Amino acid sequence: EAGVAQSPRYKIIEKRQSVAFWCNPISGHATLYWYQQILGQGPKLLIQFQNNGVVDDSQLPKDRFSAERLKGVDSTLKIQPAKLEDSAVYLCASSFQVDSGNTIYFGEGSWLTVV
Amino acid sequence: LAKTTQPISMDSYEGQEVNITCSHNNIATNDYITWYQQFPSQGPRFIIQGYKTKVTNEVASLFIPADRKSSTLSLPRVSLSDTAVYYCRYNFNKFYFGSGTKLNVKP
Repeated sequence: EAGVAQSPRYKIIEKRQSVAFWCNPISGHATLYWYQQILGQGPKLLIQFQNNGVVDDSQLPKDRFSAERLKGVDSTLKIQPAKLEDSAVYLCASSFQVDSGNTIYFGEGSWLTVV
Repeated sequence: LAKTTQPISMDSYEGQEVNITCSHNNIATNDYITWYQQFPSQGPRFIIQGYKTKVTNEVASLFIPADRKSSTLSLPRVSLSDTAVYYCRYNFNKFYFGSGTKLNVKP
């Protein structure tokens, strides 16, 4: 079974530039998550989708971050304009559904460096 | 804010059993407890999940006492390749992963 796919794997941009990350979840998984992981810290949830609807985006800095999952499968996370403190790994994850007992499966992550 | 508490780091030697305990005082009745392993440059990987008592799979065991306010991940006979960060989480607080426990296995 294919895992969660993410691209690009690495990205270096200058501050105030924009960047977009793409995610393809495990086939059949209705729930998709974007996490931000700063070096030395645990992952922090940014946004959670159920199919093509947003379940929770309370932790997403909406002035500069946006995410969409238009057809309920792939998702894109965008940062515009980027700040130095956005340097982190952006992890996409998916699960079959939202229930407490469902396991979340993570992708390899997209590493962002803002200079 | 509901949180989990784990030791920041642990050292072990190859072949030893390692037990990592996590406190989760605010766990809800319907929450499961899940443990993840993360290697550098990779996303977290599911290890084991449980609700109460003991769960065992091919890589680890998970012990959960009756009050469910803590859980212990047990890794039997660790090897160098088990060096990683281990996170516990319960699903009510979906935002929070904590800083995890960095396990360093020495030869």
